[in-house]
Amino acid sequence: QVQLQESGPGLVKPSETLSLTCTVSGGSIGSYYWSWIRQPAGKGLEWIGRIYTSGSPNYNPSLKSRVTMSVDTSKNQFSLKLSSVTAADTAVYYCARGRFEGFDPWGQGTLVTVSS
Amino acid sequence: QSMLTQPPSASGTPGQTVTISCSGSSSNIGSNYVYWYQQIPGTAPNLVIYGNNQRPSGVPDRFSGSKSGTSASLAISGLRSDDEADYYCAAWDDRLNGYVFGAGTKVTV
Repeated sequence: QVQLQESGPGLVKPSETLSLTCTVSGGSIGSYYWSWIRQPAGKGLEWIGRIYTSGSPNYNPSLKSRVTMSVDTSKNQFSLKLSSVTAADTAVYYCARGRFEGFDPWGQGTLVTVSS
Repeated sequence: QSMLTQPPSASGTPGQTVTISCSGSSSNIGSNYVYWYQQIPGTAPNLVIYGNNQRPSGVPDRFSGSKSGTSASLAISGLRSDDEADYYCAAWDDRLNGYVFGAGTKVTV
């Protein structure tokens, strides 16, 4: 059974870069889309973007100028970088596998707070 | 402002049926599959419907999805207390070239 686990700093200073990694266990990272989705406290879900093991990633147009995603197949991991963060980027960040059958599974989520 | 419109809340008594609507446009629901996610507070979302009306294994048949034109709906029949959660619809949007979510509907039993 595939499981996902997010990791990275829980606190990032304003204007710096948020960096998160999602480790995939119980299956190969190959042949699927892998997405990042975030949720500010008390608010709804926002899709950040997705990456395949080959080909160009797709990013949410509202975040595209600040987002970079990458995949490391040797480590069965994929990563998110979000630059020039502000308090508005404070949220729980989820990684998830994407396919026709939807986003499934999801990681447990990791809270990232942007504050000095 | 979400591109998919959901009512903020819905409620019902145990055993009843509650239906949640999700309204979009031709670039998302009108031309792509709809997905529904259940989120219990403090936990990650969980897929309950994919491909408009398909249930993943393990999701009870009390959950059903439908789509017509640019709108979709999720029905929960035989409502139970553990169905209390936030429910989100989602779809790919061809114009944005990305996924869009509704703002979520809080179901109270």
